[in-house]
Amino acid sequence: DGGITQSPKYLFRKEGQNVTLSCEQNLNHDAMYWYRQDPGQGLRLIYYSQIVNDFQKGDIAEGYSVSREKKESFPLTVTSAQKNPTAFYLCASSDAGRGNTIYFGEGSWLTVV
Amino acid sequence: AQSVAQPEDQVNVAEGNPLTVKCTYSVSGNPYLFWYVQYPNRGLQFLLKYITGDNLVKGSYGFEAEFNKSQTSFHLKKPSALVSDSALYFCAVRDLPKAAGNKLTFGGGTRVLVKP
Repeated sequence: DGGITQSPKYLFRKEGQNVTLSCEQNLNHDAMYWYRQDPGQGLRLIYYSQIVNDFQKGDIAEGYSVSREKKESFPLTVTSAQKNPTAFYLCASSDAGRGNTIYFGEGSWLTVV
Repeated sequence: AQSVAQPEDQVNVAEGNPLTVKCTYSVSGNPYLFWYVQYPNRGLQFLLKYITGDNLVKGSYGFEAEFNKSQTSFHLKKPSALVSDSALYFCAVRDLPKAAGNKLTFGGGTRVLVKP
């Protein structure tokens, strides 16, 4: 099936640890995105990438890092510098045109313990 | 900077009645507008979008939305709501030039509760 796969669905992080969320898409989309969603709030953009080996900071990039070594993969690392990482993380992808729809994965829950 | 407002945190409607979820936007150029729905603990599902052309856009699951440029609004509507329409709805806008990315800016979301 075509789509966007995020893993793991649930992840627990200890204080001071880095964790990496995986995002893979087989839609042949050029652009990929990471959003953060806090309970009762909307989505905020963390990072986005329009092409392989290039990515841009979004509105809340501090404490996060990404890579885009392959077209189909856009992993997000939540570093120990992110002071409040507990949230629902959503990966998305789209073709490059402005009118193209952004499609979302099923999300990953990250909890600090 | 572009922005989206969803003025209602929650909308309650009886099953079979019309459903409206409000959205207003602010952009510097021509807006590209989107509606998504989110069920609990799931990702966002695309419902419909306005790019250009007819102001009335039809989408998935019987939803439609009307683009009103003078009122800068893009309200989501469904003529007859179902209990299964109970979910969180997001309006989003994109107007940045390509060089700045194709990212979406989302509203805060509106929770819809359809009662039997």
